[in-house]
Amino acid sequence: GQQVMQIPQYQHVQEGEDFTTYCNSSTTLSNIQWYKQRPGGHPVFLIQLVKSGEVKKQKRLTFQFGEAKKNSSLHITATQTTDVGTYFCAGGAGSYQLTFGKGTKLSVIP
Amino acid sequence: GAGVSQSPSNKVTEKGKDVELRCDPISGHTALYWYRQSLGQGLEFLIYFQGNSAPDKSGLPSDRFSAERTGGSVSTLTIQRTQQEDSAVYLCASSLSGGALYEQYFGPGTRLTVT
Repeated sequence: GQQVMQIPQYQHVQEGEDFTTYCNSSTTLSNIQWYKQRPGGHPVFLIQLVKSGEVKKQKRLTFQFGEAKKNSSLHITATQTTDVGTYFCAGGAGSYQLTFGKGTKLSVIP
Repeated sequence: GAGVSQSPSNKVTEKGKDVELRCDPISGHTALYWYRQSLGQGLEFLIYFQGNSAPDKSGLPSDRFSAERTGGSVSTLTIQRTQQEDSAVYLCASSLSGGALYEQYFGPGTRLTVT
């Protein structure tokens, strides 16, 4: 079945440093979604990418979808303490179901 | 408007007892999903409803788990004869329609502890 691998599992950064998490699928995806889960909270939708090579930005966050639609990345510039949480990618393969990666837990040291 | 709600927020039960977890999706959302999240882990897909039908139950861990949805709205996840390994946060999500292209709105979850 479809698998979505996400690395790294954990990342500790100093406030102001950049952060990147990577998502790789074993199969070609129709779309990819990113979610953020704050400590003690529930996942909240951030963005969706559907086109090959697509790049979208939300303030300090940059999301990319690979040309082959098998990988994606989320890059945060100049992290802040408000960025703390776990970031999940979720890949769709044309069916009803999104397959979630295991997430990258980001800690920001003030 | 109101988001996805789940009840109870916390449930502590003894091993061997049955539990029912409830999910109220966003009004008008036809698709509903149940996930399980163990401490510090990712999201494990359990079951998907489109309307009242569950096209895919393959994610349910064992036959002790069952779920239903009535009136295209409220869903209940039932775990019979609970085991300690069932301890986790159970998350419900709904989306406007079924399909991977729709964003999912998650509820706050039910934290289940089996003693």
